[in-house]
Amino acid sequence: QQQVKQSPQSLIVQKGGISIINCAYENTAFDYFPWYQQFPGKGPALLIAIRPDVSEKKEGRFTISFNKSAKQFSLHIMDSQPGDSATYFCAASFNYQLIWGAGTKLIIKP
Amino acid sequence: EAGVTQSPTHLIKTRGQQVTLRCSPISGHTSVYWYQQALGLGLQFLLWYDEGEERNRGNFPPRFSGRQFPNYSSELNVNALELEDSALYLCASSRRQGSYNSPLHFGNGTRLTVT
Repeated sequence: QQQVKQSPQSLIVQKGGISIINCAYENTAFDYFPWYQQFPGKGPALLIAIRPDVSEKKEGRFTISFNKSAKQFSLHIMDSQPGDSATYFCAASFNYQLIWGAGTKLIIKP
Repeated sequence: EAGVTQSPTHLIKTRGQQVTLRCSPISGHTSVYWYQQALGLGLQFLLWYDEGEERNRGNFPPRFSGRQFPNYSSELNVNALELEDSALYLCASSRRQGSYNSPLHFGNGTRLTVT
């Protein structure tokens, strides 16, 4: 019940396309859903986050869509660029515990 | 604002040895977290320290231990190293774990290789 399931494990998108990464959870007590971006040799960095009382949050080309009834949330990267190639982690927080998805390796082909 | 700093950046040890990794959090952050990231895999939670106390521990054997100092810096100790301990060890800090107003900030990690 504490798991966060992330898919796909890897994703290849053409430059200019839309990248979509999905996460699902079971615990309805989760109250914070961040996405982190990790480049090779670096630590993860917070990309964007959402609370469950909001259905969508947009920051530049990055959008989180949140479906509370389906217990799913997704990251959309519009106009994907080669510089977006990285590993993306979703996470969910409850009672000061952060539960992580397994990660998605995104490759943007020029 | 200086970020989370970890030392050393790389380390090579022999099986059975002991290792100490160090982390300095962002100024004003009281919580420090340690994660293990094996090559190409996800983030495995190791330890959470807040205000000098161990608050939570992941599913790792007791040979993984640590502490947090009064200045909120932290050490991760691994005893009796095994080959499968080879990984990137990441430290993160925040004012409070995982909350909306206090996200985790990660360092760039220590790459540990056990031979």
